[in-house]
Amino acid sequence: EAAVTQSPRNKVTVTGGNVTLSCRQTNSHNYMYWYRQDTGHGLRLIHYSYGAGNLQIGDVPDGYKATRTTQEDFFLLLELASPSQTSLYFCASSDAGGARAEQFFGPGTRLTVL
Amino acid sequence: QQKVQQSPESLIVPEGGMASLNCTSSDRNVDYFWWYRQHSGKSPKMLMSIFSNGEKEEGRFTVHLNKASLHTSLHIRDSQPSDSALYLCAVPHDSGYNKLTFGKGTVLLVSP
Repeated sequence: EAAVTQSPRNKVTVTGGNVTLSCRQTNSHNYMYWYRQDTGHGLRLIHYSYGAGNLQIGDVPDGYKATRTTQEDFFLLLELASPSQTSLYFCASSDAGGARAEQFFGPGTRLTVL
Repeated sequence: QQKVQQSPESLIVPEGGMASLNCTSSDRNVDYFWWYRQHSGKSPKMLMSIFSNGEKEEGRFTVHLNKASLHTSLHIRDSQPSDSALYLCAVPHDSGYNKLTFGKGTVLLVSP
């Protein structure tokens, strides 16, 4: 089964702080995604990528940057964290089929911005 | 922006009962529906997908799709307490087939 790992699993920072969330997948998937999950909003796509060096904007990108350094690694960066970014963040990967391929999710990172 | 509407927001069924969850897309170009299940404190995991009109059955789970009405439904028969979870419906994003749009989900509670 596809393996997607995330780190850290929990993070607390202060307003204005700098945060990097990491995601690694070991299944040679082309697509990787960053979502946030909030009560009442479901899963919302922040950024995604279809290969190393590629970055695509999702539906809620404001305040977030992302980098795909290798096929395995995808990072989400919050350079000036705000309390509104307190959320549960999931990384996912899928094969070349994009939306027609199953997405495999990591365990999530719970971020709290004080 | 494309919307995925799920109903009901929450549902309680007795153990052994039938649970029925609904999902409708506002994008007439959608031709693929996903159902993901997320247990409390866990990450979403794909449950079933459907792209042809009609019905698809996997064990206790059955998915129906009506493309004309852009409506899909998930039915769980002989519901078990382990089926208690958040059920998310997803469709290909209206701007391309590289990403998904998720609904807000239905919380299912199966009472023993």
